Amino acid sequence: DAKTTQPPSMDCAEGRAANLPCNHSTISGNEYVYWYRQIHSQGPQYIIHGLKNNETNEMASLIITEDRKSSTLILPHATLRDTAVYYCIVRGNFGNEKLTFGTGTRLTIIP
Amino acid sequence: DAGVTQSPTHLIKTRGQQVTLRCSPISGHKSVSWYQQVLGQGPQFIFQYYEKEERGRGNFPDRFSARQFPNYSSELNVNALLLGDSALYLCASSFDSGSYEQYFGPGTRLTVT
Repeated sequence: DAKTTQPPSMDCAEGRAANLPCNHSTISGNEYVYWYRQIHSQGPQYIIHGLKNNETNEMASLIITEDRKSSTLILPHATLRDTAVYYCIVRGNFGNEKLTFGTGTRLTIIP
Repeated sequence: DAGVTQSPTHLIKTRGQQVTLRCSPISGHKSVSWYQQVLGQGPQFIFQYYEKEERGRGNFPDRFSARQFPNYSSELNVNALLLGDSALYLCASSFDSGSYEQYFGPGTRLTVT
């Protein structure tokens, strides 16, 4: 699986948009970008995934650059409950479900 | 609907002992994966099972084994425990082996003394 690079930590003010970057310069054409988050003492939670186009769901938006070498997860109106470690993961979809987690970005929402 | 459940929640074992961890997937899900998360690191893939067959194995020693039952629940076994096996063990389920989303349980916290 391709590797990803994320900043180790970020802060964001409550109510503002949180923008979490991820670099995945070695991603191959058939690999997806996934985002999961892990709130303290819980299992990881799926947020969103995408291949080429930007994606949006009830939790977040995913912006993927045209060359697919980087992406940004956007939480539009961050709340204190969004404080968590956010993982950017690149994975193919060939029936092998392995997720390769890095160390992620620890996002802290400031009141 | 109930999410992924794991038992026990916490466990303390001594070096050299054996441990069995259990996972029940979301109803209707046929695929189960196991991950180990050491403090301060992201989860590391151990096994994936689909329809009772092993579909993937991570870089873990043979002391780690798993199986999936006809009802799609799963067990992870670790023999000859080492201090380094202390970790949070996570189970994730999905509908099938090609599903985009994996749903994680709360994990079992294993402490080896």
